[in-house]
Amino acid sequence: EAQVTQNPRYLITVTGKKLTVTCSQNMNHEYMSWYRQDPGLGLRQIYYSMNVEVTDKGDVPEGYKVSRKEKRNFPLILESPSPNQTSLYFCASSLSGGRWDTQYFGPGTRLTVL
Amino acid sequence: GEDVEQSLFLSVREGDSSVINCTYTDSSSTYLYWYKQEPGAGLQLLTYIFSNMDMKQDQRLTVLLNKKDKHLSLRIADTQTGDSAIYFCAESWGDDKIIFGKGTRLHILP
Repeated sequence: EAQVTQNPRYLITVTGKKLTVTCSQNMNHEYMSWYRQDPGLGLRQIYYSMNVEVTDKGDVPEGYKVSRKEKRNFPLILESPSPNQTSLYFCASSLSGGRWDTQYFGPGTRLTVL
Repeated sequence: GEDVEQSLFLSVREGDSSVINCTYTDSSSTYLYWYKQEPGAGLQLLTYIFSNMDMKQDQRLTVLLNKKDKHLSLRIADTQTGDSAIYFCAESWGDDKIIFGKGTRLHILP
């Protein structure tokens, strides 16, 4: 089954403790991205990747890092999480990031930073 | 399980109205959203409707919700070339869960 998986689905952590949220897709997609969703703000893009070893900042990249060492994986890293990073995070992938590509979303990761 | 389905492709002439349809499965959802994704950009929240409303209008956009049939639609009046994008329908339950459709590609004909 074609899918995007994220782990963990729920995470509660404390300020400053490094964490990684994994994202994996099994569709051989070139394009992957991370979004966060906050009430009243909708979805905002954090980082995206057009292919292996190619990443770029989205609208709200501060406080986040990503890596794309393999095509299928696109982990989101928070080196020193802060309470304002409490949010619902989505990973997504599409074939090439092109104009008409269908974007597949993961199930979401609920992060709470205390 | 929960699912959100929408038509994959829509082609409309410039100046006509566009109607993008969406169906969802869970009647306990609290919010229903329409997002727009322009080429090369992330998702932009276009509008949303509370599940206890039937209609919401915002300038050229009209959202209609039929709770009985679990059907949501987005109407764009006087469609312009700048409306060419992928439109995502989504339903959510508070802050903890949201499910997106796969997106409808709106193509504008001259």
